Amino acid sequence: EAQVTQNPRYLITVTGKKLTVTCSQNMNHEYMSWYRQDPGLGLRQIYYSMNVEVTDKGDVPEGYKVSRKEKRNFPLILESPSPNQTSLYFCASSFASTSRWDEQFFGPGTRLTVL
Amino acid sequence: DQQVKQNSPSLSVQEGRISILNCDYTNSMFDYFLWYKKYPAEGPTFLISISSIKDKNEDGRFTVFLNKSAKHLSLHIVPSQPGDSAVYFCAALNSGGYQKVTFGTGTKLQVIP
Repeated sequence: EAQVTQNPRYLITVTGKKLTVTCSQNMNHEYMSWYRQDPGLGLRQIYYSMNVEVTDKGDVPEGYKVSRKEKRNFPLILESPSPNQTSLYFCASSFASTSRWDEQFFGPGTRLTVL
Repeated sequence: DQQVKQNSPSLSVQEGRISILNCDYTNSMFDYFLWYKKYPAEGPTFLISISSIKDKNEDGRFTVFLNKSAKHLSLHIVPSQPGDSAVYFCAALNSGGYQKVTFGTGTKLQVIP
């Protein structure tokens, strides 16, 4: 089954404690991306990756890191989380060409609370 | 600076009628536009897209219209069904370079049976 998986689905942590949210896809997609969803702000792109070892900043990259060492995985790293990073996070993947973005898949989301 | 705007946070429509969701953008470099549907506790689902070389794209009950001169796009759902009740996001990007995507804030559609 084609899918994007995220772990953990829910996480409560404290300020400053490093954490990683994993994202994995099984569709051999080149493009992967992270978004956060906040009330009244919609979805905002944090980072995206066009392929292995190719990453770039989205609209709200501050406080986040990513890596793309393998095609299937795109972890989101919060080195020193702060309360303003409390949000709902989504990972997505697709083929690189927008002509194939009708095959884009989103993960189920990770609800992160930073105390 | 909100480059993609959905000015209606919510919309209620009677079942069987047409739903029209609107989206405006300011960046003239955007040349590819998408609509997503999102149910609570789920990730967004791709719905329909349109390239700037077109002004209309249809997929079943869903049609997206693009007015480049007005920097405006709209999603039409005909006929609306209760299962269409969800939050709809429009998104835009410049497909020629790096595919950085900008989303709107979303419109919550309620289809009343």
